[in-house]
Amino acid sequence: EAQVTQNPRYLITVTGKKLTVTCSQNMNHEYMSWYRQDPGLGLRQIYYSMNVEVTDKGDVPEGYKVSRKEKRNFPLILESPSPNQTSLYFCASCMSPTTGGPIYTQYFGPGTRLTVL
Amino acid sequence: GENVEQHPSTLSVQEGDSAVIKCTYSDSASNYFPWYKQELGKRPQLIIDIRSNVGEKKDQRIAVTLNKTAKHFSLHITETQPEDSAVYFCAASVDTGFQKLVFGTGTRLLVSP
Repeated sequence: EAQVTQNPRYLITVTGKKLTVTCSQNMNHEYMSWYRQDPGLGLRQIYYSMNVEVTDKGDVPEGYKVSRKEKRNFPLILESPSPNQTSLYFCASCMSPTTGGPIYTQYFGPGTRLTVL
Repeated sequence: GENVEQHPSTLSVQEGDSAVIKCTYSDSASNYFPWYKQELGKRPQLIIDIRSNVGEKKDQRIAVTLNKTAKHFSLHITETQPEDSAVYFCAASVDTGFQKLVFGTGTRLLVSP
């Protein structure tokens, strides 16, 4: 089954304790992205990756890191989480225009609800 | 950069009525406009999209219209049903070889039986 998975789904942590949220897709998509969703603010892009070893900042990158060492995985790293990073996080992937198909359909993961105390 | 405004933030209708959600965008270079539906506790899912070379697109009870001159686009849902209740997000993107979507703030649609 084609899907995007995220782990963990729920996480409560404390300020300053490094954490990683994993994201994996099995659709061989080139493009992956991380969003955070906050009430009244919609979905805001944190980082995106066009392919392996190619990443760039989105609209709200401060306090986050990413890496893309393999095509299927795109982990989100919070080196020193703070309470203002409490949010619902979504990973998404989509195909590159060069490979054809429904190039603009972003497939979202199930979300990770993070609480930083 | 691109900025997308979405209205209304909440919309309540009776079953069978129509619902309209409107979005405006700021970057005249934007040429791709998807709409996502997010049910409670679920992930956003694409329901319809439109490109700038098309003025209107329909898919059963859902339609999207685009006015490039005015830089706004709208989602129309006819004959609403309780299962249409969800949060709807519009988005805009410039086709630069990858997809950098900028989302609106969302509209919570409630369809009452």
